[in-house]
Amino acid sequence: EAGVAQSPRYKIIEKRQSVAFWCNPISGHATLYWYQQILGQGPKLLIQFQNNGVVDDSQLPKDRFSAERLKGVDSTLKIQPAKLEDSAVYLCASSLIAQTGANSPLHFGNGTRLTVT
Amino acid sequence: AQSVTQPDIHITVSEGASLELRCNYSYGATPYLFWYVQSPGQGLQLLLKYFSGDTLVQGIKGFEAEFKRSQSSFNLRKPSVHWSDAAEYFCAVASSYSGGGADGLTFGKGTHLIIQP
Repeated sequence: EAGVAQSPRYKIIEKRQSVAFWCNPISGHATLYWYQQILGQGPKLLIQFQNNGVVDDSQLPKDRFSAERLKGVDSTLKIQPAKLEDSAVYLCASSLIAQTGANSPLHFGNGTRLTVT
Repeated sequence: AQSVTQPDIHITVSEGASLELRCNYSYGATPYLFWYVQSPGQGLQLLLKYFSGDTLVQGIKGFEAEFKRSQSSFNLRKPSVHWSDAAEYFCAVASSYSGGGADGLTFGKGTHLIIQP
């Protein structure tokens, strides 16, 4: 099966600019996650979608970050305006169902590396 | 709130030697536990997972992990490492309730594995 697709792979922007990332999950996967991975740290959950609804966005900095999954398939994550501390790898993951259970592991994309200068 | 501690930031092992990566978790109920591996520029790949039952779980690439509730640990082991095992390893925990809802993984900060020839 095709994996989780993310684009672009790399992005360099100046602070206060805007940026958007795109994710296409594995076909049929209902749940989609965006994670932020700062250098030297583990991934941190930003937002979780179940189909086109938000399940958890408690750690999303909503003053500058937004995400949508309008048709319940692919998703975009936007940062506006970007800050230096947003430099990180943004990982998208998907799973078949909401519960991270025995038959529903997370599948990760290769991520988008964002550098804010 | 759940949390994961990986006490070793870096570990260096000679090729062919045995490996143990430590992971301690904090979670009030029965956790779901995972080990992921991340090679440079890649997304995370699931090595193995524990939900219930046998506390010794086998994974891909010859890895295994043992769940010890009394020690709140889930250490990863491999009897003989190969140079291709050099990567970043992440331990993660998820809540164990069913029925959907917020279920994103909480990751540790990772252990960087270096293989000496």
